[in-house]
Amino acid sequence: QVQLVQSGAEVRKPGATVKVSCKTSGYIFTNNYLHWLRQAPGQGLEWMGWIIPNTGAISYAQKFQGRLTVTKDTSITTVYMELSSLTSDDTALYYCARDGGKTRGEEFFDFWGQGTLVTVSS
Amino acid sequence: DIVLTQSPGTLSLFPGERAALSCRASQSVRNNYLAWYQQRPGQAPRLLIYDASIRATGIPDRFSGSGSGTDFTLTISRLEPEDFAVYYCQQSGTASLTFGGGTKLEI
Repeated sequence: QVQLVQSGAEVRKPGATVKVSCKTSGYIFTNNYLHWLRQAPGQGLEWMGWIIPNTGAISYAQKFQGRLTVTKDTSITTVYMELSSLTSDDTALYYCARDGGKTRGEEFFDFWGQGTLVTVSS
Repeated sequence: DIVLTQSPGTLSLFPGERAALSCRASQSVRNNYLAWYQQRPGQAPRLLIYDASIRATGIPDRFSGSGSGTDFTLTISRLEPEDFAVYYCQQSGTASLTFGGGTKLEI
């Protein structure tokens, strides 16, 4: 069965960097885009970016350009999300999610990780 | 970016009733690439519908999606107790993926 298992909760000070991992299993890693999303406490969902595991190509939401880095390690079917210059506004639950679409532009999220809470506090 | 506006913000109904949740886009969603998710408290979102009207694997047939262009609807034909949750729509008609603000379905 498809599984996405994320790393544990993190606490960072303002200005720091956080890196979250997402270990995938149960399907062919290179067949599907992987996305990162977040949800601030009591708020809605926000898309951050994706990576194509096959090629390493990436796309980031404009809001995160310059401080978001998404990478992958195909040998261990894991993707990573690194966010720098953290502020209290970055306190949120961060999710990785698999893209279930079959064509470019048809992007939706069919399997999700359990979420990783990142808290930014001085 | 395409802005998705969901209404109502909160919908109060009883088990057995029919629910209709609206998602309106600020511009036409290309190829009707519109998805719906359910999120229960403390859980990750769950995909219900994609491409506006296709039910995801394992989703009960009381859930249905309809609409095209800028107006989309998620209908739950007969509410079960486990359906009371928050529902989000999401579009991928443009490169920047966006979500609606959510509709809370409560008893």
